[in-house]
Amino acid sequence: DAKTTQPPSMDCAEGRAANLPCNHSTISGNEYVYWYRQIHSQGPQYIIHGLKNNETNEMASLIITEDRKSSTLILPHATLRDTAVYYCIVMRMDSSYKLIFGSGTRLLVRP
Amino acid sequence: DTGVSQDPRHKITKRGQNVTFRCDPISEHNRLYWYRQTLGQGPEFLTYFQNEAQLEKSRLLSDRFSAERPKGSFSTLEIQRTEQGDSAMYLCASSDPTGTKTQYFGPGTRLLVL
Repeated sequence: DAKTTQPPSMDCAEGRAANLPCNHSTISGNEYVYWYRQIHSQGPQYIIHGLKNNETNEMASLIITEDRKSSTLILPHATLRDTAVYYCIVMRMDSSYKLIFGSGTRLLVRP
Repeated sequence: DTGVSQDPRHKITKRGQNVTFRCDPISEHNRLYWYRQTLGQGPEFLTYFQNEAQLEKSRLLSDRFSAERPKGSFSTLEIQRTEQGDSAMYLCASSDPTGTKTQYFGPGTRLLVL
């Protein structure tokens, strides 16, 4: 499974965009990039995923570089409720589709 | 609420006791996953089911752990002779059978072994 590298912590001001980077330089052609977040003491929450193209949904945008070696999760207008640990996961489309979590990025949104 | 549910949400037990957790997946999701998360770490995969068949087990799942999904709907995770090292959050997730099998997680069961 491709390994991901994320900064351990970041912060941003409420109302501003939060840009969370993820490096996955060993990603294979059939591996998707998934983002989850985990607010304290809750289960992980699915945010977004993508293969090659940029993706946007009601929660966030995912920008994947052309070589697919890195990606950025963008929360366009961060709120205090976005304070959480964000996990970038590369998921192989094999038989199990299990998720391999790393340590994630702890995002603190400041008032 | 049609999300993944887990019961109980919290469990305190004494070392050596057996505990059982239950997970109810999103209806029509045929895959069900169990993960374990210790303090400060990301979740770790334990096992998964497709319908009632248990198809993969992690090396983390010692012989004291057993999971079942008898009718392909809810699942149970039992830990026998609990140890203090079993203290963790136990997370359940389910995924639909179509597309990229995105997993949706429940709120977890927090276990404390005294």
